[in-house]
Amino acid sequence: QVQLVESGGGVVQPGGSLRLSCVISGFSLDDVGIHWVRQAAGKGLEWVAYRDDDGTSIFYGDSVKGRFSVSTDNSKTTLYLQMSSLRSDDTAVYHCAKDAALDWNGYLDSWGQGTLVIVSS
Amino acid sequence: EVVLTQSPATLSVSPGEGATLTCRASQNVYDYLAWYQRRPGQSPRLLIYGASKRATGIPARFSASGSGTDFTLTITNLEAEDFAVYYCQQRYSWPTITFGQGTRLEIK
Repeated sequence: QVQLVESGGGVVQPGGSLRLSCVISGFSLDDVGIHWVRQAAGKGLEWVAYRDDDGTSIFYGDSVKGRFSVSTDNSKTTLYLQMSSLRSDDTAVYHCAKDAALDWNGYLDSWGQGTLVIVSS
Repeated sequence: EVVLTQSPATLSVSPGEGATLTCRASQNVYDYLAWYQRRPGQSPRLLIYGASKRATGIPARFSASGSGTDFTLTITNLEAEDFAVYYCQQRYSWPTITFGQGTRLEIK
């Protein structure tokens, strides 16, 4: 059964850093790409980043480019989102989601429940 | 950036009736569009991809159509579990993807 479980959220001061984790099961990071998507309270969904199946291509949304980075652990069961230079507008619930690998990449068919990041002094 | 505008923001419908939700793109996205359902307390669920293809396990009462800039999601014979927030999403501008702001489908 496909599962994604995020953790690592919390309260951080503006300018600070935080690392989110996404533990996957039921599939392999070598098989499909993974997205990070966030949702601020009362707002819509915002795509944050994508790592492809072999890690050779990682893309970021304009609002986080240069501040966030995606990596994996050696066992390829955990995906990380390293966030730095955090701002108040980064406050959101962060989800990792599996790419559906359908006709084209870019559709998301399994999502984690999310982890809340609050950037506040 | 491709902006997706969903309408209406909120739609009130009685169980058993049908609902039509709309998504308009700021530029041509061909058929690179998906729809998601988000029930309260749950993560989004992929309903439709490629503008009109139902994802695995999605009931036939969900259908979608459109191409270019105008898309619709139609739900017939609404059940209690269908009342949720629905998002459209485009992947035409891959690797960047964008979502609409959502339509809340509520019980009338």
